[in-house]
Amino acid sequence: DIQMTQSPSTLSASVGDEVTITCRASQSIGSWLAWYQQKPGKAPKLLIYKASSLASGVPSRFSGSRSGTDFSLTISSLQTDDFATYYCQQYSSFWRTFGQGTKVEIK
Amino acid sequence: EMQLMESGGGVVQWGGSLRLSCEASGFAVSTNYLSWIRQAPGVGLEWVSVIYSSGDTYYADSVKGRFTISRDISKNTVYLQMNSLRDEDAGVYFCARDPALFGMDAWGQGTTVTVSS
Repeated sequence: DIQMTQSPSTLSASVGDEVTITCRASQSIGSWLAWYQQKPGKAPKLLIYKASSLASGVPSRFSGSRSGTDFSLTISSLQTDDFATYYCQQYSSFWRTFGQGTKVEIK
Repeated sequence: EMQLMESGGGVVQWGGSLRLSCEASGFAVSTNYLSWIRQAPGVGLEWVSVIYSSGDTYYADSVKGRFTISRDISKNTVYLQMNSLRDEDAGVYFCARDPALFGMDAWGQGTTVTVSS
C-alpha cells in the first residue's frame, strides 16, 4: 500500500499568515493527489485535485504543488473560515490512502 | 447538483452485521466510481472501499473479507455490507463520488456506526 506522511499534525497561525502543509508519498503517485478541508461534524470538502488544480468554487488563496513525491498545500493569507483540519489523499492506486491530517489552529 | 445521502447506521453488537446505503442524485452510480470512507471518533479519515463503473471493487486490508460494496443501478444507490463488526469499525461512514482524475468531489453527510461489546 502507498503510505502518505503528512506534516505537521498541528499548526498554529494567525489571520493573514501564509501557511504550508506537506505530504510525502511512500512511492511515486504522479500528480494523483487531492487536498481536503474538514470542519468539525462536517464532511470533507475537496480543495485541490491533481496536485495543483483548484476545485470549483475554492478561493484562489489555496494552492497546491508537487516536487517528486513531495506535495504541498499553501494558504496564502489565512482567513477565519480556514481554521480546520486538512487531509491529503492519493488516488494513484486502486487502494486510496489519506494522510493523517493537519489541524490549523488559531494562534 | 450532485448529492449523496447515507443511511443505515446505528448501534450493533460486536460480531454483528449492518448494511449502509448511499443514495445518489444528480449523477448515475452506474457511470461513476463511488468510495466509502470512515472516521473513528477524534481520528483521521480512512478509505474503506471503492466500486468502479465497471463493477470492479477494492477494499482496504482492514475490512477485506468482512465488508462488501455493491450497487443497485435501478435505485441509484451504493451499499456497504459490514459483517463481523469489531470495536475499531465504529465511526462515521461517508460515501463520496470518486472520479478517477479529480479526487472525491461530492460527499454525503455521513452515517454513524457504533459497535457495542
